[in-house]
Amino acid sequence: DAKTTQPNSMESNEEEPVHLPCNHSTISGTDYIHWYRQLPSQGPEYVIHGLTSNVNNRMASLAIAEDRKSSTLILHRATLRDAAVYYCILRDGDSNYQLIWGAGTKLIIKP
Amino acid sequence: KAGVTQTPRYLIKTRGQQVTLSCSPISGHRSVSWYQQTPGQGLQFLFEYFSETQRNKGNFPGRFSGRQFSNSRSEMNVSTLELGDSALYLCASSLVPGQINSPLHFGNGTRLTVT
Repeated sequence: DAKTTQPNSMESNEEEPVHLPCNHSTISGTDYIHWYRQLPSQGPEYVIHGLTSNVNNRMASLAIAEDRKSSTLILHRATLRDAAVYYCILRDGDSNYQLIWGAGTKLIIKP
Repeated sequence: KAGVTQTPRYLIKTRGQQVTLSCSPISGHRSVSWYQQTPGQGLQFLFEYFSETQRNKGNFPGRFSGRQFSNSRSEMNVSTLELGDSALYLCASSLVPGQINSPLHFGNGTRLTVT
């Protein structure tokens, strides 16, 4: 199963953009890149997903490298409520899926 | 629209006992999957149900089992509890399984403590 690598933690100032990196060098052609986040004392929450092209939604943007071996989740203007653990996950679009979760990146927002 | 509901929120059990956790998916969602989350191992997939049938199973011992009812509600059971079963158990629902554009919606979990 393809795996992802993320930094253990990152810090950012409130109201500034945040770029959360993810490496997935063994990604296959049918793997989608999904991002979830988990706020304290809550279950994970879907953020965004993509296959090849960059994606935007109301929560964030996803920038995918041309070779798809890495991606970056972009929070355009971080708030204190964005402090969470962010998980980058690969999901096979061709078969029954089992999401493999890494340790994620703990995002700390400084006021 | 109500989210995924998991009950109970907290549970304390003794080694050797058994426990049943409940999950009510979002209305209209027919797929339910279960995860165990611990500080050391992170989120690990337990099993997935669709139309009352188990579709996938993770690498957990047979003491962990589950089922899904006709209304898509799901339960998981852990028998002969061990200290290492202490964890946050998360349930997630989606419209149908395997649909790439159907994200998972998680409940807030059941915190199980085994003493």
